Amino acid sequence: DQQVKQNSPSLSVQEGRISILNCDYTNSMFDYFLWYKKYPAEGPTFLISISSIKDKNEDGRFTVFLNKSAKHLSLHIVPSQPGDSAVYFCAARNGAQKLVFGQGTRLTINP
Amino acid sequence: EPEVTQTPSHQVTQMGQEVILRCVPISNHLYFYWYRQILGQKVEFLVSFYNNEISEKSEIFDDQFSVERPDGSNFTLKIRSTKLEDSAMYFCASSDGGSNQPQHFGDGTRLSIL
Repeated sequence: DQQVKQNSPSLSVQEGRISILNCDYTNSMFDYFLWYKKYPAEGPTFLISISSIKDKNEDGRFTVFLNKSAKHLSLHIVPSQPGDSAVYFCAARNGAQKLVFGQGTRLTINP
Repeated sequence: EPEVTQTPSHQVTQMGQEVILRCVPISNHLYFYWYRQILGQKVEFLVSFYNNEISEKSEIFDDQFSVERPDGSNFTLKIRSTKLEDSAMYFCASSDGGSNQPQHFGDGTRLSIL
């Protein structure tokens, strides 16, 4: 099932700079997209979401951008902090309740 | 902040044995889910549950799996006869079902089949 893809398994960013995590999808029926953050030995924690009728949603340091024509979304974290080091999952839903997840990107924030 | 709780955190079981994983969803939520993540792989949907019945299930969720809401607070996943390939992290999630409302996840149960 390759409907949601995160092509970068890892990303390293300096503290204070911008982190940009990317996600691509193939199913044009997806209408709701989410980003989750996961620490080791914990479950995914909801971060931010966006409906398909919008192209941007912002919450504090986190902004999600949606480009429907490119079937692409991204998560921007500004400024990046050491506590942001985690695995980030992109997920999507097509009106049904189930979420389809990407493989995750491990973000490391370097001091 | 309310959270989803799962027990046990780690379950070790002999192949062929039955196992029950337990979850307490967020109290005012109406939709409940199980997902799993095999080591090194994606988080995969197993089943969703609403109004005391399964609303959707994946092809993974075969006859060996069942879910139940035995009382007003617990939500369980039973695997009848475990196989080695059932070894994974199992996550419970819940949501209030609103159209743009996220699912909230528990910390998972690590199931190890020997």
